[in-house]
Amino acid sequence: GAGVSQTPSNKVTEKGKYVELRCDPISGHTALYWYRQSLGQGPEFLIYFQGTGAADDSGLPNDRFFAVRPEGSVSTLKIQRTERGDSAVYLCASSGGPGTDTQYFGPGTRLTVL
Amino acid sequence: LAKTTQPISMDSYEGQEVNITCSHNNIATNDYITWYQQFPSQGPRFIIQGYKTKVTNEVASLFIPADRKSSTLSLPRVSLSDTAVYYCLVVMNTGFQKLVFGTGTRLLVSP
Repeated sequence: GAGVSQTPSNKVTEKGKYVELRCDPISGHTALYWYRQSLGQGPEFLIYFQGTGAADDSGLPNDRFFAVRPEGSVSTLKIQRTERGDSAVYLCASSGGPGTDTQYFGPGTRLTVL
Repeated sequence: LAKTTQPISMDSYEGQEVNITCSHNNIATNDYITWYQQFPSQGPRFIIQGYKTKVTNEVASLFIPADRKSSTLSLPRVSLSDTAVYYCLVVMNTGFQKLVFGTGTRLLVSP
């Protein structure tokens, strides 16, 4: 596809459940980022992958959050034992096209924890 | 990375020029200034990036004075579709890095 895609676009879950959010980066981009955005705030960095490895996971709020990128393309953000405070829009971005490191964002997944 | 400060909101009318100023007093020698635009229910979109003086593209202009402690994003002749949140960021000059967003400037363009 032409841009970064994220699925699902919306996810409603109950407190305590497990959720997975998927990101398909722009083809050929080597770097992939996850951010979280709460209402009225700017995006907040969670984790960044270079290839298959997590180069910086300093933004993950706690050990309930985990992300993988096993083949260096698609990434999944996993949240265990969801809490109401996890409700936010989860944004994915990719970069690494020829001659640029500009980050291109997907539309996000809106997660609501009831 | 240098902290940025920008107005919380601005109002304008169609056809006017809008200038959004951002301060970044502690910008480092190797840092660049980058602006993103975000519409409701969408991810941020890169608008423009610069190091010093003036940069112009098809969307906007970016003015950076010699001391680089501030920058101004200029949107010529705004339309209703320019209503969005605009983020000013300071980024390192090389490579892959996390972006640090503030709360941005919410621009409302009215008819």
